[in-house]
Amino acid sequence: GAGVSQSPRYKVAKRGQDVALRCDPISGHVSLFWYQQALGQGPEFLTYFQNEAQLDKSGLPSDRFFAERPEGSVSTLKIQRTQQEDSAVYLCASSFSRTLATNEKLFFGSGTQLSVL
Amino acid sequence: DAKTTQPNSMESNEEEPVHLPCNHSTISGTDYIHWYRQLPSQGPEYVIHGLTSNVNNRMASLAIAEDRKSSTLILHRATLRDAAVYYCILRPGYNFNKFYFGSGTKLNVKP
Repeated sequence: GAGVSQSPRYKVAKRGQDVALRCDPISGHVSLFWYQQALGQGPEFLTYFQNEAQLDKSGLPSDRFFAERPEGSVSTLKIQRTQQEDSAVYLCASSFSRTLATNEKLFFGSGTQLSVL
Repeated sequence: DAKTTQPNSMESNEEEPVHLPCNHSTISGTDYIHWYRQLPSQGPEYVIHGLTSNVNNRMASLAIAEDRKSSTLILHRATLRDAAVYYCILRPGYNFNKFYFGSGTKLNVKP
């Protein structure tokens, strides 16, 4: 596709359930990012990949959150034993270069809205 | 992370110019100023960025104060499609791979 694709668009989970959120970046994009956006707030950084290497995971809120990008393209964000505070929109973004030069744009997907009941 | 301060909301009339302010008093010399906007139910999209000089592109203009402690995003003729949350972001020169969005300014455009 032409843009960053995320699935599912909406996910409802029962508290304690595991969920997996998928991101298909723009073809050929080296860098991939995950952000978490709570209602009424700006996106907050979770983690960053350069190809298959996860170079920064400092934003992951707990060890229940895990992200992978095994072949350097599609990425999955997994949340184990979901809690109500995990309810948010999860955004994926990608960019072409590995160094994300200062004039580089991030291209975002439309996000997955996760609701934990 | 370097912080920015923006008004929570602003209102504009269609076809009129809009000036969206951003304060970033703790900006460092290597921080770039980026603006993204987020339309309802969509992810953020890039608008414009700059370092010291004013910048223009097809979407908007960016005016940067001489001391770089503030900047203004200018939409020359607002349309209904410009209704969105606008984020002013500082991208550190030492770590291009992470930047801080803040809460942004929600722009309402009246017909």
